Amino acid sequence: GQSLEQPSEVTAVEGAIVQINCTYQTSGFYGLSWYQQHDGGAPTFLSYNALDGLEETGRFSSFLSRSDSYGYLLLQELQMKDSASYFCAPQDAGNKLTFGGGTRVLVKP
Amino acid sequence: DGGITQSPKYLFRKEGQNVTLSCEQNLNHDAMYWYRQDPGQGLRLIYYSQIVNDFQKGDIAEGYSVSREKKESFPLTVTSAQKNPTAFYLCASRTPTNEKLFFGSGTQLSVL
Repeated sequence: GQSLEQPSEVTAVEGAIVQINCTYQTSGFYGLSWYQQHDGGAPTFLSYNALDGLEETGRFSSFLSRSDSYGYLLLQELQMKDSASYFCAPQDAGNKLTFGGGTRVLVKP
Repeated sequence: DGGITQSPKYLFRKEGQNVTLSCEQNLNHDAMYWYRQDPGQGLRLIYYSQIVNDFQKGDIAEGYSVSREKKESFPLTVTSAQKNPTAFYLCASRTPTNEKLFFGSGTQLSVL
């Protein structure tokens, strides 16, 4: 079967660093993606990890450990515009992409 | 401009009625997906298609049907068998390198 866990909500102040953890159980795991969604909008792609290690894209980084079935998204130098929901999405070898329940990040001044 | 177009933006369904949500893409992507999102919740996979004339059930396919007669189009029909259809429906397509989904702007379906 498949399961996916990430925290439901995180609150932080501007300029802080937030780490959103994701643990998954996915048959035929292929890679892990992260998406951002602002209220009322569509999700937008942030990053993808197929191999173990850290991928850095500007203020956002994503990490994957395949042996631990674990990944995280790191948001640095938080800005007000980063207030949104963040989803991890493991992909299986059959191209099925499943989304978690999402982590709501609230950035305070 | 390349992208994914979903229509209509808002749709109302009467009791016992089937309704069809449109999804068109001009990105030349092979794989397309339909997700359902309830308020404050994550995205749940309804159906996906990796190639024309082929599609697979996702996690919540009951009460829904799809077709994939053209590469550009992946319409979703919400049938009368779906007893709780009120939700935000998102269509997406995937890059050939398989790591990135592009989403449409969504259709909000409500029951009258």
